[in-house]
Amino acid sequence: DIQMTQSPSSLSAFVGDRVTITCRASQGIGKNLGWYQQKPGKAPKRLIYTASTLQSGVPSRFSGSGSGTEFTLTISSLQPEDFAAYYCLQYNSFPLTFGGGTKVEI
Amino acid sequence: QLQLQESGPGLVKPSETLSLTCTVSGDSITSASWYWGWIRQPPGKGLEWIGDNYNSGSSWYSQYNPSLRSRATTSVDTSKNQFSLKLSSVTAADTAVYYCARRGSSTGWSFDYWGQGILVTVSS
Repeated sequence: DIQMTQSPSSLSAFVGDRVTITCRASQGIGKNLGWYQQKPGKAPKRLIYTASTLQSGVPSRFSGSGSGTEFTLTISSLQPEDFAAYYCLQYNSFPLTFGGGTKVEI
Repeated sequence: QLQLQESGPGLVKPSETLSLTCTVSGDSITSASWYWGWIRQPPGKGLEWIGDNYNSGSSWYSQYNPSLRSRATTSVDTSKNQFSLKLSSVTAADTAVYYCARRGSSTGWSFDYWGQGILVTVSS
């Protein structure tokens, strides 16, 4: 199985901050990675796919980069509605695996 | 607009079988190139992929997470535009919110549409 190590597991930030979350894969996955945002009591919402493609309707302050084993999700200017949990997902090979999550708090 | 909706019992006894159904509206489940999957999330924890069903021509195929040790079985009912999950011999560790979701080649292969989720508690 491909292990996805996500860091940090939590972070505190202010509105307007630039936030970066990292996912490292235990082996190369090309660009087969997605990023999700999850708010309490809600289903995950896809933000990014193929490592860097912004999902339609998602604000441009979200961006993704990376390939192979190291990936980042960046929020260029944190907004109040961005306080949530974030997960990466590798879909390069079965079983699909998620990172452990990052909780972004005030 | 595609919608997915999970349904099933919210309480299951230990050692019994958990059974959930996902009803798809807004598209046919037999449309080519879509994978229909299940993901779960224990309370306060992260996400775990359970398995996928996909249609290759005239046949349906399944892939499962080996961590479930062959307890998971998925199926498709094209007449009702539904797919289902059965998880046998459940324990308290199977208590989770269960989501159904879709992924496919035209949308980058990661899950794009999700159901709202259903909490299933395993308890006697």
